[in-house]
Amino acid sequence: DGGITQSPKYLFRKEGQNVTLSCEQNLNHDAMYWYRQDPGQGLRLIYYSQIVNDFQKGDIAEGYSVSREKKESFPLTVTSAQKNPTAFYLCASSMWENTEAFFGQGTRLTVV
Amino acid sequence: QKEVEQDPGPLSVPEGAIVSLNCTYSNSAFQYFMWYRQYSRKGPELLMYTYSSGNKEDGRFTAQVDKSSKYISLFIRDSQPSDSATYLCAAPNIYNTGNQFYFGTGTSLTVIP
Repeated sequence: DGGITQSPKYLFRKEGQNVTLSCEQNLNHDAMYWYRQDPGQGLRLIYYSQIVNDFQKGDIAEGYSVSREKKESFPLTVTSAQKNPTAFYLCASSMWENTEAFFGQGTRLTVV
Repeated sequence: QKEVEQDPGPLSVPEGAIVSLNCTYSNSAFQYFMWYRQYSRKGPELLMYTYSSGNKEDGRFTAQVDKSSKYISLFIRDSQPSDSATYLCAAPNIYNTGNQFYFGTGTSLTVIP
């Protein structure tokens, strides 16, 4: 089945730790995105990538980092510099620029 | 003003009712629009993808675009309890280099059996 796989589904992080969220797609999509979703705030763009080895900051990139070494993979690292990391993180992909986006099932990150 | 705005609701209807979900957008250059359904603690699922004005129907769902008033709507006929979810409207940003999508904040819908 084609789709986007995010793992883990739930993640707990201690204060001061970096954690990495995985996102893999087998849709052969060029573009991939990371969004953060908080109650009442909708989706906010963290980073996006149009091609391998290239990525751009979104609206709330501070405290996050990404890599795009392979077309199918776009991991997100939440660093200790992110002041309020508890949120629902969504990865998405699209075939080329600005066609419809498809989402993974999300990772719920909680700082303990 | 946000590029895409959506009434957050919540909206509560009895089973079998016709549901109307609405968004407005600010940029008249937008040509594509999408509706997503998101169940609690799940990722958004693409429901409808429309281009230009007019209606698009898929089963019980109809997406409507009115470009003159910059208004997009999703109608759900014969609503079911399984339709209870948050519905997001979206428009792709095709005119800037940001390569991203503009999303509404979502409307929470509950269909009561």
